[in-house]
Amino acid sequence: AQSVAQPEDQVNVAEGNPLTVKCTYSVSGNPYLFWYVQYPNRGLQFLLKYITGDNLVKGSYGFEAEFNKSQTSFHLKKPSALVSDSALYFCAVRPRNTGGFKTIFGAGTRLFVKA
Amino acid sequence: DADVTQTPRNRITKTGKRIMLECSQTKGHDRMYWYRQDPGLGLRLIYYSFDVKDINKGEISDGYSVSRQAQAKFSLSLESAIPNQTALYFCATSDHKQGDSYNEQFFGPGTRLTVL
Repeated sequence: AQSVAQPEDQVNVAEGNPLTVKCTYSVSGNPYLFWYVQYPNRGLQFLLKYITGDNLVKGSYGFEAEFNKSQTSFHLKKPSALVSDSALYFCAVRPRNTGGFKTIFGAGTRLFVKA
Repeated sequence: DADVTQTPRNRITKTGKRIMLECSQTKGHDRMYWYRQDPGLGLRLIYYSFDVKDINKGEISDGYSVSRQAQAKFSLSLESAIPNQTALYFCATSDHKQGDSYNEQFFGPGTRLTVL
């Protein structure tokens, strides 16, 4: 079965330190990869995506993600965390050649940045 | 995202009642989706629509129905609500008019539904 795993329910990091939110997937082919962020009482907001090419993708608010094909991972990173980055982060994977309607979401990782 | 709106934002109802959640978008996107979010489960697809005349079931469509009244409007109905339909519901849109299947989705603010 196709799946997306975010192995950490919560990640705690001090402000100014680098952060990593992990994502691995089990989806055949070369899927498209996404990260979304959800702030309280808001819908999901798109951060970045990987389509093809360079394994390091840069996105909004200083976030970036590294694609690793051999490990089927797409970890979200930021060099210096801000308190305002505290939110719920979702990794999402979309298989290719399925008409583009199917997106598999991970369960989410809550990021807590302490001042 | 203000371009995708949902009404109501919160709703408390009783078992057996019929309710409708509405979604409108001003992004001009062709595709619209309804998801359900439960803690620890991420988002699960209920229904999706490629355009006004093309509506499809998602992975958890039982107990739900939808209507695409116009390109900009996509409503979700619970014909007879039950407590395990208590969840956060999101509408989303995406643009695939150019045939791309890698475009991101834009989400509404969500509707928190409680079924007593």
